[in-house]
Amino acid sequence: NAGVMQNPRHLVRRRGQEARLRCSPMKGHSHVYWYRQLPEEGLKFMVYLQKENIIDESGMPKERFSAEFPKEGPSILRIQQVVRGDSAAYFCASSSWTGEDSYEQYFGPGTRLTVT
Amino acid sequence: GEDVEQSLFLSVREGDSSVINCTYTDSSSTYLYWYKQEPGAGLQLLTYIFSNMDMKQDQRLTVLLNKKDKHLSLRIADTQTGDSAIYFCAVDNTDKLIFGTGTRLQVFP
Repeated sequence: NAGVMQNPRHLVRRRGQEARLRCSPMKGHSHVYWYRQLPEEGLKFMVYLQKENIIDESGMPKERFSAEFPKEGPSILRIQQVVRGDSAAYFCASSSWTGEDSYEQYFGPGTRLTVT
Repeated sequence: GEDVEQSLFLSVREGDSSVINCTYTDSSSTYLYWYKQEPGAGLQLLTYIFSNMDMKQDQRLTVLLNKKDKHLSLRIADTQTGDSAIYFCAVDNTDKLIFGTGTRLQVFP
């Protein structure tokens, strides 16, 4: 059972360009979460999606950031007109409900975005 | 909002026990988690504890929860050099996880 897949692993963009980050959840998982980790900091929640629905986007910046999880294909985190402050590691996690009514979030390896 | 705090660094000798501490503010959290992050890698779920438990043991790992003081700890017995990593405490908040800033564990021979 493959784990959470993210690509690309490393992404370099110039200021003003667009960044697209992809996440394929674990097989059988229908919940996807995106987190951002700034250098030397913990992870900060950005958005929670289920298939074709955004459930909670309370951690998403109001402008330039968007996320989707279509019926088919991976979840996409899109950052338009990137700025240097967007440089960070972006992690995707997926989960499904377990029999204990808990949800364990399994993380992908992350995409490290560098804006030059 | 919810706040989760950890000390930044811990250094231990190989073979000793490590204890990593975490405090949180939201008493409504149902599950509390410990994740491990190695350099340049993603997060690995080590263990989690349900809020109505005081302790959970899993091989070399022991999690203690003091709900009254909102204090969570992770004890690693017989710490090895391969345990060197950053350890994150996380608590659930509705549908998301709130992470601490991480504790960098360094194990020296």
